[in-house]
Amino acid sequence: QSALTQPRSVSGSPGQSVTISCTGTSSDVGGYNYVSWYQQHPGKTPKRMIYAVSERPSGVPDRFSGSKSGNTASLTISGLQAEDEADYYCCSHAHTYVIFGGGTKLTVL
Amino acid sequence: QLQLQESGPGLVKPSETLSLTCTVSGGSIRSSGYYWGWIRQPPGKGLEWIGTINYSGNTYYNPSLRSRVTISVDTSQNQFSLKLRSVTAADTSVYYCVREQASSPDYWGQGILVTVSS
Repeated sequence: QSALTQPRSVSGSPGQSVTISCTGTSSDVGGYNYVSWYQQHPGKTPKRMIYAVSERPSGVPDRFSGSKSGNTASLTISGLQAEDEADYYCCSHAHTYVIFGGGTKLTVL
Repeated sequence: QLQLQESGPGLVKPSETLSLTCTVSGGSIRSSGYYWGWIRQPPGKGLEWIGTINYSGNTYYNPSLRSRVTISVDTSQNQFSLKLRSVTAADTSVYYCVREQASSPDYWGQGILVTVSS
């Protein structure tokens, strides 16, 4: 199985919004509402930002939102802040296993 | 607060078996509805899901690693373990133990770097 497809990099200026896409198939992203998103700063452990497509864990700012359409999930970060600069990974249930995206580097200009 | 901590050797020789243990504190590994798993990240690369187990011993593995991986659980010690056989340099990674709910890892250990080298 191949990793879910994410853009390698995205960028935005402070205050702007950016969207990171995560494309899979009907066997993973499209088949289940079990998509999560993780933020990872350099040298740090990944932090869950979104689960079940659009649910935010306690403590995650509402600037972070998730959605899904067909085989593509998306993470939108509004009101970009400098501390949002990090790598972002999507993750999906895929029948009997879990699959990650290749990761997207977000640069805040 | 739930905490997970990986332990094991940081250096493994090629063709040997990588063995890691994750100790869970602040909660019981017997909690229903959760799975306990392993994820790895090669230096400078992305995340790769290895596999997962619940307290009853039900396991699921990454198809690409299934032939070399065994995950086991020891509920008496509140621990679960990973064995990866016949390792090569490509298995050099930071290995994370995690708690999963509905295929979504929520709690992560701090990670342990395992280098495969002679």
